[in-house]
Amino acid sequence: AQKVTQAQTEISVVEKEDVTLDCVYETRDTTYYLFWYKQPPSGELVFLIRRNSFDEQNEISGRYSWNFQKSTSSFNFTITASQVVDSAVYFCALSEVLTGANNLFFGTGTRLTVIP
Amino acid sequence: DAGVTQSPTHLIKTRGQQVTLRCSPKSGHDTVSWYQQALGQGPQFIFQYYEEEERQRGNFPDRFSGHQFPNYSSELNVNALLLGDSALYLCASSLGGQGLSPLHFGNGTRLTVT
Repeated sequence: AQKVTQAQTEISVVEKEDVTLDCVYETRDTTYYLFWYKQPPSGELVFLIRRNSFDEQNEISGRYSWNFQKSTSSFNFTITASQVVDSAVYFCALSEVLTGANNLFFGTGTRLTVIP
Repeated sequence: DAGVTQSPTHLIKTRGQQVTLRCSPKSGHDTVSWYQQALGQGPQFIFQYYEEEERQRGNFPDRFSGHQFPNYSSELNVNALLLGDSALYLCASSLGGQGLSPLHFGNGTRLTVT
């Protein structure tokens, strides 16, 4: 069965610090997608990234970077030089081709607070 | 470019009542998915509509039903409301029913059942 674990419930950092959000997943499908979404207090889930299971290349987008390691079933997210605007709940999610690529299984989220 | 819009923003209902939530997808999108997010939890997939048909369904009872209209907008209906149905209901849209494009979410409808 599919499962996404975000062991860090809450993280607090001081502005300009780097922070890494952990995500570990379980799946029996060989073709799957991994996602990160940001949920600010407004409630909207903001799409950050999607990776497919065949692409383990790490990605950097501005202050954001993602590390995908199939060997450890992890898809970690790092924010460099954090800012107050980064404060939100971050969700990691998994979808499998077999059960439907639009059927996302979400972790329980990590609440990040950036202190000015 | 209009994003995903949902209405109403908030709703209070009584146990046993029925509720209808509405969603307009992002411009250019033709697929709508609905998710339920309980307080402190991640969203859970309810179902997906594509070409006016329910294509996939999560582990939700038949009290949860939906509809997609020719203009791609969608409704989520919940009958015989239970206290446990209190949650944030999120609509997401995408292009194509195969999940090849990422989901874009709306701000959600917060439903409170008393």
